[in-house]
Amino acid sequence: AQKVTQAQTEISVVEKEDVTLDCVYETRDTTYYLFWYKQPPSGELVFLIRRNSFDEQNEISGRYSWNFQKSTSSFNFTITASQVVDSAVYFCALSEAQTGTASKLTFGTGTRLQVTL
Amino acid sequence: ETGVTQSPTHLIKTRGQQVTLRCSSQSGHNTVSWYQQALGQGPQFIFQYYREEENGRGNFPPRFSGLQFPNYSSELNVNALELDDSALYLCATQSGQGKNTGELFFGEGSRLTVL
Repeated sequence: AQKVTQAQTEISVVEKEDVTLDCVYETRDTTYYLFWYKQPPSGELVFLIRRNSFDEQNEISGRYSWNFQKSTSSFNFTITASQVVDSAVYFCALSEAQTGTASKLTFGTGTRLQVTL
Repeated sequence: ETGVTQSPTHLIKTRGQQVTLRCSSQSGHNTVSWYQQALGQGPQFIFQYYREEENGRGNFPPRFSGLQFPNYSSELNVNALELDDSALYLCATQSGQGKNTGELFFGEGSRLTVL
């Protein structure tokens, strides 16, 4: 069975601080996809990144960066120089590639990030 | 803006009643899935529809059912409502139906309260 653990329930930082959101996953599959989604107060989940299990390269997109380490089953997300607009709940999610159910994601419980001035 | 519209945004029902939630899909997105998100939890997969047929289901009882229409819009029906059905129901769409999960486009959800 798949499982995603986000141990940090809530994080508070002051604007311009760097913050890392942790994600640990479990799966028996060798081929899978990992995701991060952002959920602002409005409710819709906003896609941030997808990474497949064969690509362990770290990725940077503006102030966002992701560190995928297969050896520790972790897919951590760092926001550099955080801004108030980054305040949201962030979800890590996992999808097994061979199920044929393309949109079945297993989500973690989320990390609420509060960025204050 | 994801192009996914859900209605109603909020509704209140009583135990035992039935509810229908609706989702209109972005053009070209022929796969629709539904998720239930309880307060303080991550979304949980209910089921997926492709070409008007259910082709994947999570751990939800049969009283949760759905439909997909030729224009790719979708409905989620829940019968015999229970208090634990109170949650945010999210619709998500994506194009294609491969085994590879691409980007899902989520609506803002329908918040259901069961009294």
